Amino acid sequence: AQSVTQLDSQVPVFEEAPVELRCNYSSSVSVYLFWYVQYPNQGLQLLLKYLSGSTLVKGINGFEAEFNKSQTSFHLRKPSVHISDTAEYFCAVISGNTPLVFGKGTRLSVIA
Amino acid sequence: DSGVTQTPKHLITATGQRVTLRCSPRSGDLSVYWYQQSLDQGLQFLIQYYNGEERAKGNILERFSAQQFPDLHSELNLSSLELGDSALYFCASSATSDGLEQFFGPGTRLTVL
Repeated sequence: AQSVTQLDSQVPVFEEAPVELRCNYSSSVSVYLFWYVQYPNQGLQLLLKYLSGSTLVKGINGFEAEFNKSQTSFHLRKPSVHISDTAEYFCAVISGNTPLVFGKGTRLSVIA
Repeated sequence: DSGVTQTPKHLITATGQRVTLRCSPRSGDLSVYWYQQSLDQGLQFLIQYYNGEERAKGNILERFSAQQFPDLHSELNLSSLELGDSALYFCASSATSDGLEQFFGPGTRLTVL
């Protein structure tokens, strides 16, 4: 079965510093990859997705992610974070006909 | 605002009881998905309906059931509730059945006492 590993459960970072949230998935023939963000007391919002084509995907709020097939990774990056980026971030995968499988989440805390 | 609505926002009930959670998808979306988010299990897919038919099933307990009505809204029924059923229940919708672009509702927080 497909699985997603988010290597860091919590990531504290100072405002305006860069951040990388790591995500690895179990290997499969073809995968579709997603990053969702959950702000406190809210539902999930899609940040970005990789379906095919360019391995560098740009999303909303200045985030981007790179699909690396050889390392089965899909790390999320932002060059300069803001206080408003404080939230829980979920990496997720669809493989074949399987439903969306989520990682355990990474809590990003931006410190002023 | 994703366009997906869920009611109620909060629900407090007792063990052994039965509750119904409601979801209205975005206008025009045919697929509805239900997810459970808990501290120990994380976000787990429960079930998907597409245009009224069950399309996929995940880790849904036999005590739980769902349906999608002709107007495309969906209900998740949870019965014989246990303390461990306390969680956030999310509904998501998408235009197609492949799940590649899902829009999530704000969730229903269920507390079982």
